[in-house]
Amino acid sequence: GAVVSQHPSRVICKSGTSVKIECRSLDFQATTMFWYRQFPKQSLMLMATSNEGSKATYEQGVEKDKFLINHASLTLSTLTVTSAHPEDSSFYICSASGGGSPQHFGDGTRLSIL
Amino acid sequence: GQQLNQSPQSMFIQEGEDVSMNCTSSSIFNTWLWYKQDPGEGPVLLIALYKAGELTSNGRLTAQFGITRKDSFLNISASIPSDVGIYFCAGPPRAGGTSYGKLTFGQGTILTVHP
Repeated sequence: GAVVSQHPSRVICKSGTSVKIECRSLDFQATTMFWYRQFPKQSLMLMATSNEGSKATYEQGVEKDKFLINHASLTLSTLTVTSAHPEDSSFYICSASGGGSPQHFGDGTRLSIL
Repeated sequence: GQQLNQSPQSMFIQEGEDVSMNCTSSSIFNTWLWYKQDPGEGPVLLIALYKAGELTSNGRLTAQFGITRKDSFLNISASIPSDVGIYFCAGPPRAGGTSYGKLTFGQGTILTVHP
């Protein structure tokens, strides 16, 4: 089945650091990738949608300068949390879709900002 | 946008029991998806439903797309400890949306199975 790899699985860093998270589709071409944020025991909150080769579409209330998304190829999208602060600590999950199949999710990245 | 109301919010059951959870919307959905999320991992697609009235099984899991297109349910038969996790329903938030586009998620059902 479709496999989406997300890296790193866990990041702990100091306040003010920028953190990059990668999302790769391993066995299919992902025309669209999605980035979600999830708080403990809550649902997934869509942050942005990115289509290969074009600018990401951000959901209302998500700062595009804070959460930089790049989708340069059909198999890779990256999310960079710039100048991260403790309130950015969360579980970030990517998903990818392509070829008419439903979204398949990565295993998430636990981001902890000290 | 369209909202999905998922219930129950949580369930505590004994191993071997059957489980039922459902998802409702005030608007019509043309696709229903059911995902399971294990702790610390991303959601995994369990069942996808594309037609009103459709009943689909995946092992011990059965899901149905309601006739009104405003609801769906997921049943798990003979639960086992590894069924523990959060179950989410999801669907495209606008008319004409697809399962591979933007999705709206239900609030999730947290399932705990006691051995």
